[in-house]
Formats: sequence, structure tokens, C-alpha cells
Amino acid sequence: AQRVTQPEKLLSVFKGAPVELKCNYSYSGSPELFWYVQYSRQRLQLLLRHISRESIKGFTADLNKGETSFHLKKPFAQEEDSAMYYCALSGGNMLTFGGGTRLMVKP
Amino acid sequence: GAVVSQHPSWVICKSGTSVKIECRSLDFQATTMFWYRQFPKQSLMLMATSNEGSKATYEQGVEKDKFLINHASLTLSTLTVTSAHPEDSSFYICSAPSGGYTDTQYFGPGTRLTVL
Repeated sequence: AQRVTQPEKLLSVFKGAPVELKCNYSYSGSPELFWYVQYSRQRLQLLLRHISRESIKGFTADLNKGETSFHLKKPFAQEEDSAMYYCALSGGNMLTFGGGTRLMVKP
Repeated sequence: GAVVSQHPSWVICKSGTSVKIECRSLDFQATTMFWYRQFPKQSLMLMATSNEGSKATYEQGVEKDKFLINHASLTLSTLTVTSAHPEDSSFYICSAPSGGYTDTQYFGPGTRLTVL
């Protein structure tokens, strides 16, 4: 069985502070991991995927197979980063989502 | 980028009636589409995989006779909630992969179903 865990339901930081949204997974095979973001009143959209190893809107995420983690990081949070963030794992023809973390960036 | 639409965006119906939700890929073809359900303050749960030209694949615990899925064309999948009950009230979201089976997913805006 595959599982994705996002331990924090809510993360509140001040503008300019570093952000780390945690994601841990369990999967027996070789996973593909994604971060999706949902801004207020908008649809869910892909933020980044571990395969591409790219930085989107200043966010990065590194797959750590030893710790089975795929934490999302940004060195300096902006107010427009406030949103719901979902970590997702693709494996065995299924896309499994974590519970989501609401990021609030305060001015 | 690829766009997925859903119709309607919200629907209110009486208990016992059936409701159909459409999911369309507007500028690309999707042989596979996915249907999710999201309860308040919970994560998305995969309900079923819709396959063009063949039967849908349902996740464990999802009643296939209650949630009828039809993938009539390469750009349209429908989810029909039959004999709806208040506990079926939820937010239903569809997605379609841009390329391979579990490639980058493009999500519809969701349909809010309220059953009275």
C-alpha cells in the first residue's frame, strides 16, 4: 500500500521567513512524487515534480529515499504563497495525496 | 497549458435523484481520467479511474453501482451519482494526465454536490 503523510495541517510564517512543508511517504517501489498547490478559489495545479528537479516560484523539493521524504522548501516566503499544498505520490497507476498543509504567510 | 473543465460547478438535488457531472479535457485527448472526492477538511480520495472505451476501475470501498462512470470519448468522462443521499454531498474533482498514465495531472475546478 502507498501512503503519503503531511504531518502539519497548518503552517503559519511571517513574510520573508523560510518555509518547509513536510511530506513523508511509504511505497515499496520507485515512487514519483509531486507537490500540488491550490490557491484560494482556484483549482488544484501542479507545483513541481521530483523528476524534473526544477524550482517553481522559488520552491524546491528533494526526494530523500533514505528518509522517504519529499519536503517542500522556500527560503523566503511571500504573502502570495498562502495556499493549500498537497504532496502526492504516483505509483502502481495510482495517485495518492497527503492530507494537505495550509500555508499562511503573514505580512 | 492543458485545461480540464467540469460541469456543473455546483448542484443541489433532492435525496433519491441522480446527478451527472461532466469532466472534459478541452485541448488534449485523455484516454484516462480520474475522479476524486474531497470531504470537508480532508484530502482528495481517488474514487475511480475512467478508461475510454472500457469499464472504469473503482477503488476499494467505492460502490460502482452508485457512482456510474462513462468515458464516452477521448475528451469526456461523466460521473453519475445515482439515488443520491445526503452523505454523498461532497466536492468531486476530476483530473486527466497530460501524457502517460500517471503523468502530470490537470485538474478540473471541481463540482460541489449538495444532497438535501
